[in-house]
Amino acid sequence: QLQLQESGPGLLKPSETLSLTCTVSGGAISSSTYYWDWIRQPPGKGLEWIGNIYYSGSTYYNPSLKSRVTISVDTSKSQVFLKLNSVTAADTAIYYCARGWVGASDSWGQGTLVTVSS
Amino acid sequence: QSALTQPPSASGFPGQSVTISCTGISSDAGGYNYVSWYQQHPGKAPKLLIYEVNKRPSGVPDRFSGSKSGNTASLTVSGLQAEDEAEYHCRAYMGSNNYDFGPGTQVTVL
Repeated sequence: QLQLQESGPGLLKPSETLSLTCTVSGGAISSSTYYWDWIRQPPGKGLEWIGNIYYSGSTYYNPSLKSRVTISVDTSKSQVFLKLNSVTAADTAIYYCARGWVGASDSWGQGTLVTVSS
Repeated sequence: QSALTQPPSASGFPGQSVTISCTGISSDAGGYNYVSWYQQHPGKAPKLLIYEVNKRPSGVPDRFSGSKSGNTASLTVSGLQAEDEAEYHCRAYMGSNNYDFGPGTQVTVL
């Protein structure tokens, strides 16, 4: 059974870099069938697609975040990474990693709350 | 700001049906019917209910169904049950390797 687990600092100061890791277990991370999404949800608000990475290494980002986001993968460790530069309070959210397939996210991690506050 | 719109709330009595709309689906999505729906209970991660407009993953009850007409997708929950009370999110491929989520609809079982 596929499991995804997000990890990383829960509290950041404005202008710092958010760095999260998604550890994948119970399934192959380097499959041509799937890709890996990062999605976030500010408290009490809707979901926002951040971006994704394919097995080929190709990455695609939400245009509104593109200038600040980098998604990468380490297949040897079955980990997917998210970096978001120059965070502000507006980046406070629960961050989810998910497995992508035919335009949908079929397996999700439990999410990790990241708070940006001075 | 999402390009997709959903009603903020919907409700129905147990056994009834409720339909949630998701408007603003791009017509320039490269021919892909990548519309999906997610159910989210408080404090939990979203769960995939529908993919490719009207397909259900294994384990999702057939009470959940999806459809699409023009730039609007819909999710229908038939035979409402207490456990269906949750937030429902639509997601659509907008073209140019970009996805968007709707703002979410809170479904209340009366």
